[in-house]
Amino acid sequence: QVQLVQSGTEVKKPGASVKVSCKVSGYTLTEFSMHWVRQAPGKGLEWMGGFDPEDGDTIDAQKFEGRLTMTEDTSTDTAYMELSSLRSEDTAVYYCATVSGSYIQYYFDSWGQGTLVTVSS
Amino acid sequence: SYVLTQPPSVSVAPGQTARITCGGNNIGSERVHWYQQKPGQAPVLVVYDDSDRPSGIPERVSGSNSGNTATLTISRVEAGDEADYYCQVWDSRSDPVVFGGGTKLTVL
Repeated sequence: QVQLVQSGTEVKKPGASVKVSCKVSGYTLTEFSMHWVRQAPGKGLEWMGGFDPEDGDTIDAQKFEGRLTMTEDTSTDTAYMELSSLRSEDTAVYYCATVSGSYIQYYFDSWGQGTLVTVSS
Repeated sequence: SYVLTQPPSVSVAPGQTARITCGGNNIGSERVHWYQQKPGQAPVLVVYDDSDRPSGIPERVSGSNSGNTATLTISRVEAGDEADYYCQVWDSRSDPVVFGGGTKLTVL
């Protein structure tokens, strides 16, 4: 089974950027489409974006357009999520997750342990 | 964008059956997936494609989907089933991934 190991807790000031990593082990990153989901304290799951399983292009939720950058380093099997112009509402646990399934019937079958990002002045 | 509606909470006694619903416009035409999340832990996939179970998920966990409602059913509920449950679809509209708001299952 694939294991996803994320980087540690981050504390950032408003306006700064944060970059979270997600390392794949047991498989290679190229075997998956990686996505990012976040969860604000006491709230539900919120999809942020990821790589389209059909064509590999990045897709992201409209609310993050312009602030979200997702990249991959296949030499180290590590995916990255960078969120810029941070504000207090971005305080959340950020998860990476791999996609499985058929065309437009996709689901997330493996998840990282989560990375807490706190945005505070 | 597509909206999935879940009840905030469901309570059930041990040994009884819990049913958690996920409502959406013509959701029966979508494939619905369900996740269990315990406090302080990452979500875990418990049902995919409406009614299939990943390996390791017990048979007493099942799913169905028809019309405007998908349902996650947990039979013979145990204390260890207490968690938040989320439904999810992958939709071809503007934001392709949609999660329901989540349902907290309490075992009385």
